[in-house]
Amino acid sequence: LAKTTQPISMDSYEGQEVNITCSHNNIATNDYITWYQQFPSQGPRFIIQGYKTKVTNEVASLFIPADRKSSTLSLPRVSLSDTAVYYCLASGYSTLTFGKGTMLLVSP
Amino acid sequence: DTGVSQDPRHKITKRGQNVTFRCDPISEHNRLYWYRQTLGQGPEFLTYFQNEAQLEKSRLLSDRFSAERPKGSFSTLEIQRTEQGDSAMYLCASSPRVESLNEQFFGPGTRLTVL
Repeated sequence: LAKTTQPISMDSYEGQEVNITCSHNNIATNDYITWYQQFPSQGPRFIIQGYKTKVTNEVASLFIPADRKSSTLSLPRVSLSDTAVYYCLASGYSTLTFGKGTMLLVSP
Repeated sequence: DTGVSQDPRHKITKRGQNVTFRCDPISEHNRLYWYRQTLGQGPEFLTYFQNEAQLEKSRLLSDRFSAERPKGSFSTLEIQRTEQGDSAMYLCASSPRVESLNEQFFGPGTRLTVL
């Protein structure tokens, strides 16, 4: 399973766009890139998934360059409620391998 | 609420005791997963079922751990002879069998404290 590397923490302010970059240099051909969000004392929640190029949903956008060795999760106009841990995963469609994630703190 | 449910939400036990956790997945999901999460770490995969078949087990799952999913519905995770190192949040997740989607739906977890 591909190992991912992402920043341990990030700070932002309400209304700003936040971009969290993840590197996955050893990603396999059949791996997808998936992002999850986790609030304290809750299970993770799926945000978005992509294979290449750009994917957008109502919550976020995911940018994946052609070599797929990295990806960027973009959260538009964050609010205080977006304070959470964000996990980047590169894996096939069965078991998920989580790293330590990025703790995003959004301040007023 | 038709999400994944777990019971109990909290469990405090003494070292050496056995504990059992239950997970009820989303009803139409045929895949069920167990994870363990300790403070400051991401969830670690333990095992997963497709219907009633246990298809994969992590090497983290020692012989003191056993999981079942009779009839492919709810699942139980039992830990025998608990140790203090077993203290963690135990998360259950379920997903439909969609080959191209890594969306797993997680329950709220069972927090285990071993004294």
